[in-house]
Amino acid sequence: IVMTQSPATLSVSPGETATLSCRASQSLATNIAWYQQRPGQAPRLLMYGTSTRATGIPARFRGSGSGTEFTLAIDSLQSEDFAIYYCQQHDTGPPMFTFGQGTKLEIK
Amino acid sequence: QVQLQESGPGLVKPSQTLSLTCTVSGGSITRGNYFWNWIRQPDGKGLEWIGRTYSSGSTTFNPSVKSRVTISVDTSRNQFSLNLTSVTAADTAVYYCARGVRGLMMFDLWGRGSRVTVSS
Repeated sequence: IVMTQSPATLSVSPGETATLSCRASQSLATNIAWYQQRPGQAPRLLMYGTSTRATGIPARFRGSGSGTEFTLAIDSLQSEDFAIYYCQQHDTGPPMFTFGQGTKLEIK
Repeated sequence: QVQLQESGPGLVKPSQTLSLTCTVSGGSITRGNYFWNWIRQPDGKGLEWIGRTYSSGSTTFNPSVKSRVTISVDTSRNQFSLNLTSVTAADTAVYYCARGVRGLMMFDLWGRGSRVTVSS
């Protein structure tokens, strides 16, 4: 299964809402996760089970979707939110994890 | 709290074996519903899952590297390790170890990463 993220780069002003998309090449029977990666840092888990925020992640991060279409929305963008975001899915047979190619969220 | 730390050579010659170790601190590698992973990221590119091990030693690998990779676990040292044989420049990347959560199938804790360059 291939995960395709769009757009590759998203320019949004601070305080606005960013909407990131992740599309699966076939319908997923499982949920997805989202990660944030700031420059020079390791990825950080943001969201799992498609819509459950990880510990310490603020409520302005919202995950949704099912099947082949998934979305990460970030409300009231703050300076620390400008980073690269990856979606990730899990295949059950055989076990395999794949990531999208990432969306770079940049300041407009 | 639990932390992961990668260690190993930063430079490996082509055709040789890349070896990295992840040390888990702040908790036992055998406790909880977790599995232990290696994930890599070439400069400026995305993330690629390499493989995983359970504390039992049971492993699963990405088919793209399956013929060249082994992942082992040393529960007495609270470590797990990656060996990647016959490396080429395409294996140059930052290598992360990460903890996976059973059932939820996501990676909730990551090491800071270890940069490995394949070059003569």
